[in-house]
Amino acid sequence: AQKVTQAQTEISVVEKEDVTLDCVYETRDTTYYLFWYKQPPSGELVFLIRRNSFDEQNEISGRYSWNFQKSTSSFNFTITASQVVDSAVYFCALRLRGGADGLTFGKGTHLIIQP
Amino acid sequence: DADVTQTPRNRITKTGKRIMLECSQTKGHDRMYWYRQDPGLGLRLIYYSFDVKDINKGEISDGYSVSRQAQAKFSLSLESAIPNQTALYFCATSDPDGTGDYEQYFGPGTRLTVT
Repeated sequence: AQKVTQAQTEISVVEKEDVTLDCVYETRDTTYYLFWYKQPPSGELVFLIRRNSFDEQNEISGRYSWNFQKSTSSFNFTITASQVVDSAVYFCALRLRGGADGLTFGKGTHLIIQP
Repeated sequence: DADVTQTPRNRITKTGKRIMLECSQTKGHDRMYWYRQDPGLGLRLIYYSFDVKDINKGEISDGYSVSRQAQAKFSLSLESAIPNQTALYFCATSDPDGTGDYEQYFGPGTRLTVT
């Protein structure tokens, strides 16, 4: 069975600092998809990124960047120049090809950006 | 209008009561899912349905039942609610495109409290 580990339960930084959220996954499948979701205090899930296992290119979207390394089974998320609005719980998730079982989520990292 | 809606958004009920959470979607997707979120545990899959006649148990189906009334509707029932079913419940839909790469679209969540 697959597993997603987010070892950082809570991170607190001061605004404008860079912060990296770690995600380590386990699966025996060679084809899979990795996701990051943001859950602000209002509770909804906001999709941030999807990455398939054949695409190890890093991705940057504004202040957000993702580093996918199959060699270490990691898919880390970095926020540059953090802002108070980035405060949220962030989830990393894994889906196998076909996705019959839905998404497997990590336990989430609560990110607190202090002004 | 939202593509995936959940009703009610908030519900407080007493131990032993039967309660139904409803999910509707306008995306025309065949696959629908119910997840449960507990603080510090991430989201876990309760049930999923590939179509009206195909319903499957997820990781934590005990104490829950589901009904797929139509392609667009997928309901989750708690036959006899207990306090440890207090959680945030999410419905999701997806529609595979044949390549294995597809999105899951989440509803806004239902916050259920069992007293």
